[in-house]
Amino acid sequence: NAGVTQTPKFQVLKTGQSMTLQCAQDMNHEYMSWYRQDPGMGLRLIHYSVGAGITDQGEVPNGYNVSRSTTEDFPLRLLSAAPSQTSVYFCASSSSPGGYTFGSGTRLTVV
Amino acid sequence: AQKVTQAQTEISVVEKEDVTLDCVYETRDTTYYLFWYKQPPSGELVFLIRRNSFDEQNEISGRYSWNFQKSTSSFNFTITASQVVDSAVYFCALSEPFLGFGNEKLTFGTGTRLTIIP
Repeated sequence: NAGVTQTPKFQVLKTGQSMTLQCAQDMNHEYMSWYRQDPGMGLRLIHYSVGAGITDQGEVPNGYNVSRSTTEDFPLRLLSAAPSQTSVYFCASSSSPGGYTFGSGTRLTVV
Repeated sequence: AQKVTQAQTEISVVEKEDVTLDCVYETRDTTYYLFWYKQPPSGELVFLIRRNSFDEQNEISGRYSWNFQKSTSSFNFTITASQVVDSAVYFCALSEPFLGFGNEKLTFGTGTRLTIIP
């Protein structure tokens, strides 16, 4: 049972490049979300999805795009990377009444 | 708006000492969940506990215990007889009920870095 799988684990981008962070879960969870972790700020919600075809913005959505075409996958797209998007990104899934399962994270550096 | 405050940015204790990590939260919701997560140096987030707002019983799991007090909006975490492996960043989090789906968005505190000195 893989849980939540994030790829890649590390990525370096140049300013202005675009990329997609992948997230997949095999637990048939309806709810998935993306967080970013920055020093001294904890984790902040970027986007979330309550099921296939349904997404919504979290606390810090600007510069990111998501889609949810299947229950299993919830990719996060950086449209035009900026240094302010240097962070560690976590994908999570959950089902009620269970708790959250987090992926192992993607460390992104934008130069 | 929901808020979670972990006032202790960093704590260092000598191995085998007890240590308490504080968590104070703010919410207008009557139904919510509280969580603690551990983030060891390897970086992953490890789920420790989830408690719903209707259950104020303290919980003990081995060397870990949690004290939930609704009257003071606190959900403190105590490690007894600390060990070097307990060194990590610990996050407290609060859920926001998402009506109709039963799933929640999490608001995290800024974390407490705990260092256990051998």
